[in-house]
Amino acid sequence: AQSVTQLGSHVSVSEGALVLLRCNYSSSVPPYLFWYVQYPNQGLQLLLKYTTGATLVKGINGFEAEFKKSETSFHLTKPSAHMSDAAEYFCAVSEVETGGFKTIFGAGTRLFVKA
Amino acid sequence: DVKVTQSSRYLVKRTGEKVFLECVQDMDHENMFWYRQDPGLGLRLIYFSYDVKMKEKGDIPEGYSVSREKKERFSLILESASTNQTSMYLCASSWDRGQETQYFGPGTRLLVL
Repeated sequence: AQSVTQLGSHVSVSEGALVLLRCNYSSSVPPYLFWYVQYPNQGLQLLLKYTTGATLVKGINGFEAEFKKSETSFHLTKPSAHMSDAAEYFCAVSEVETGGFKTIFGAGTRLFVKA
Repeated sequence: DVKVTQSSRYLVKRTGEKVFLECVQDMDHENMFWYRQDPGLGLRLIYFSYDVKMKEKGDIPEGYSVSREKKERFSLILESASTNQTSMYLCASSWDRGQETQYFGPGTRLLVL
């Protein structure tokens, strides 16, 4: 059975500082992993995803994430935060189960960026 | 660009009313989903559909039903709205249910009084 844990419901960083949003998952088989971003009053949009191959995945807006199987983690990073990065971020795991795939979303982490 | 539209951004309904939320996607996606989003709980799957007239229960289907008569349209129905159904409702679509990206609509914020 899969689950997704995002450490920290709120993260605050200064503009220009490193952004690190943590995501750990439990899965009995190699999963597909996603990060989505939700800006105020909008739906979610994909930042990046890991399916197979290279474990370091680059996404839009300078974000990247690394799949670490041994740590069951998929943390999201950005070297230098920008004010426009303020949003809510969701980690998601997709895993095959009886009848097809199932995607589970984490509870979300709201990122605040201080000037 | 994939576009997923939802019929209303904001809705206010009274307890006991029947509520229809509609979602339309323009990319010929097989799969469509309805989620509710609540603070601290993330997104929880209500129902999904992998083909016309096909539906599967998600994690929290109680109090909801769905309809998919056409491939591009997926409707969520609250048969008798209750205050605990006050929430943000998000519709999404995708090519498949595994590694493919889900594309989301802007959401409908529903208030049940």
